[in-house]
Amino acid sequence: DTAVSQTPKYLVTQMGNDKSIKCEQNLGHDTMYWYKQDSKKFLKIMFSYNNKELIINETVPNRFSPKSPDKAHLNLHINSLELGDSAVYFCASSHFERGAHDTQYFGPGTRLTVL
Amino acid sequence: AQSVTQLGSHVSVSEGALVLLRCNYSSSVPPYLFWYVQYPNQGLQLLLKYTSAATLVKGINGFEAEFKKSETSFHLTKPSAHMSDAAEYFCAVTSASGGSYIPTFGRGTSLIVHP
Repeated sequence: DTAVSQTPKYLVTQMGNDKSIKCEQNLGHDTMYWYKQDSKKFLKIMFSYNNKELIINETVPNRFSPKSPDKAHLNLHINSLELGDSAVYFCASSHFERGAHDTQYFGPGTRLTVL
Repeated sequence: AQSVTQLGSHVSVSEGALVLLRCNYSSSVPPYLFWYVQYPNQGLQLLLKYTSAATLVKGINGFEAEFKKSETSFHLTKPSAHMSDAAEYFCAVTSASGGSYIPTFGRGTSLIVHP
């Protein structure tokens, strides 16, 4: 069984469009994350979210917004897509209550290409 | 504040040779340290982690890392490289300060294994 899944795996779209990426985890974790990995493999945290708190990386444009219908899902909505948004987006999850040493479990990634 | 520096964006070894990937950290409080591996077109997965129980940590696939507080290092080693070890490796640090356990990742080291 897939622990953290993302859909779609590939997303190609035009500039200015609005798109969403879905993430689901079946690990019973209470915290989920979105990361952006650029073409040089640099991994940047975008959001951390649990049912208590949303932590936003202040460098993330407000065109990006996480939406969590329940603890097992954290979707990423992106408005007015720009060329610079092209990247691989990873969802991850962990168990906050276990503390700072808890492992993050990553999804397979969504490769977004903005034309 | 916490940070991680991975020396060398690319490391090239011959099959059967020693693998050494370097990671130095900075943290104002005792850190938790992780090594993750990313195979091509996949998400990150945990190789090993240091949680203060033992300074020499053994992980999957024959990898190990040693925590050296005096050197603020957590280098990853494997005695004999295998072709299947070719991947991107990320060092990460978290700490238990501020109530937020978001890891800080290094910029990654690409391991290339030659036959």
